[in-house]
Parts: sequence; C-alpha cells; structure tokens
Amino acid sequence: DVKVTQSSRYLVKRTGEKVFLECVQDMDHENMFWYRQDPGLGLRLIYFSYDVKMKEKGDIPEGYSVSREKKERFSLILESASTNQTSMYLCASSLGADGTYEQYFGPGTRLTVT
Amino acid sequence: GENVEQHPSTLSVQEGDSAVIKCTYSDSASNYFPWYKQELGKRPQLIIDIRSNVGEKKDQRIAVTLNKTAKHFSLHITETQPEDSAVYFCAAKGFQKLVFGTGTRLLVSP
Repeated sequence: DVKVTQSSRYLVKRTGEKVFLECVQDMDHENMFWYRQDPGLGLRLIYFSYDVKMKEKGDIPEGYSVSREKKERFSLILESASTNQTSMYLCASSLGADGTYEQYFGPGTRLTVT
Repeated sequence: GENVEQHPSTLSVQEGDSAVIKCTYSDSASNYFPWYKQELGKRPQLIIDIRSNVGEKKDQRIAVTLNKTAKHFSLHITETQPEDSAVYFCAAKGFQKLVFGTGTRLLVSP
C-alpha cells in the first residue's frame, strides 16, 4: 500500500519567513510532484522531479524552489512567504518515466501566510 | 502547452440519476486521461483512466469516453449514490506532466 506523507497538516507563517514543506513516499517511486490547490483553480503543478537531484518547473514555479536529495523525499521551499501563497499544498508520487502512471497524493498541508 | 477545461463546475443530481462531467484538451499529442475523485477533507484518488488508443472504458458504475478528433473526454456515473458526492478532476498528460482541470463538485441528494 503506497503511503505518501507530508510533514504538517496545518502551518501558519508570517510574511517574509522561509517555509519548508516536506514530502516522503515509501514505494520507491521515481517521480514526485508538488501541487497547490485553490478553489476554482483545480490542481496546479509547481515543480516536479523524475529522479534524485533532478527538478523541472511546472506551471506556477514563481516564488518556490524544491530539493530532492534522496529518492523518497521531495521538499518544497518558499524562500520568502507572501500572503498570496496561502493555499493547500499537495505532494504526489508515481512510478515510471512517461507520466502515465497513477499519482498517489499525500494528505495535504494547509498553509496560511499572515 | 496543454490546457484542460472542465464543465460543469458544480452538478447536483438526485440519487439514482446519472451524472456526466466533460473535459476538453488542447494538445493533440496527449495520450493519457485520468480522473481523480477528492472527497471532502481527503486526498485525490484515481478512479479511472483511459489511454488514447481506446475510445471507452468502464468500471462498474463509472465509465469514461474519449473523442480524440474533437479532443474531449467525459466521465459518466450511473445510478449515483450519496457516497459519489465529491470533487472530480479530469487531467490530460502533456509533455512530461499531467495538467488538471479545475474540478467539478458533484452533490448527490438522497
């Protein structure tokens, strides 16, 4: 049974703080993804990684960076949090290199930036 | 890049009715179309997917159809039940990644 976990369910940070969101998967998946979910906007891809130390920009990478030092762990970094980054953040992982495998999502982190 | 549009944004049906959610995509090279269901407060989960070499796929009460010429695909749920109430997301695989639609909130009333 695939398990994707995220470091926090709820997080409150102040504007300008550096924020780290961590995601861990236990199924040896090659691909990992970070999405943000906002009402009416669906799931928007921030960054993804198809291998250790590899990263690719998604559709909304501005204001974010990522790190993948180990296969099972993918971190999302907000260098200087802003109020417009208040959102639900979802991590996901999947097998395979061609993007046609099921994505398994984590429980999400609801981030509030005040 | 790929762009996915999803309609309607909300859908209310009576228990036992059918529900249809429609999506269009822009990239004719897209070859994989999954549907995810997200219940309130829970994570999205894959419920069905279809690849571009197939026109229709069924799994019990849910089915997905794909029209490659028109670049649209649809989710059909028959005999809806209250536990079908959730947000449904379609997606299309663009270059290297999935692009999701904006979601449909389905409410099934008893």
